[in-house]
Amino acid sequence: EPEVTQTPSHQVTQMGQEVILRCVPISNHLYFYWYRQILGQKVEFLVSFYNNEISEKSEIFDDQFSVERPDGSNFTLKIRSTKLEDSAMYFCASSLRGGSYNSPLHFGNGTRLTVT
Amino acid sequence: EDKVVQSPLSLVVHEGDTVTLNCSYEVTNFRSLLWYKQEKKAPTFLFMLTSSGIEKKSGRLSSILDKKELFSILNITATQTGDSAVYLCAVYGGATNKLIFGTGTLLAVQP
Repeated sequence: EPEVTQTPSHQVTQMGQEVILRCVPISNHLYFYWYRQILGQKVEFLVSFYNNEISEKSEIFDDQFSVERPDGSNFTLKIRSTKLEDSAMYFCASSLRGGSYNSPLHFGNGTRLTVT
Repeated sequence: EDKVVQSPLSLVVHEGDTVTLNCSYEVTNFRSLLWYKQEKKAPTFLFMLTSSGIEKKSGRLSSILDKKELFSILNITATQTGDSAVYLCAVYGGATNKLIFGTGTLLAVQP
């Protein structure tokens, strides 16, 4: 069964450094997402991406965050200057269609980001 | 503010028991409710429910939605240790692509 893959599985970085989290969505899916889960808390929406542009973003997704689909397969999340509170598990997800079509999301295994 | 509430927060049962997990929601322009199973890493998709009263079933797992009372239940019969996980409920609402998640129910199945 096709799956969403994420790399790296764990990233440790110092405060103020830039990080790029990488994802390969399921190949025929058209919508891509980033969610995050701080330890012990809810899964939170960050951003959705469709047709090479952001379709929706949350208040968490401020100017320090950006997303890109640099080629036909990869989908990346960049955090420009990491803060301690960015430490979380970051999940990439994809869906065949958008939420308005009730299309289920399929999640990757996540990247655990630790900011020291 | 849209919200999804799950109960109980955690549950410990023995193998063979039947469990019922609850999810209630207050979401503007509800469209669908989804259940996921999270074992250490990725949430894996279980069910999507859009209509009231129609049970979705997959093996020992089943789920049903009540759009009048704004809740859903996830049933697991004859539990096994492999069912131990966090079960997440999430809702699509409004004209949006984002899922709103509950905090999850941590299920521990003891041998």
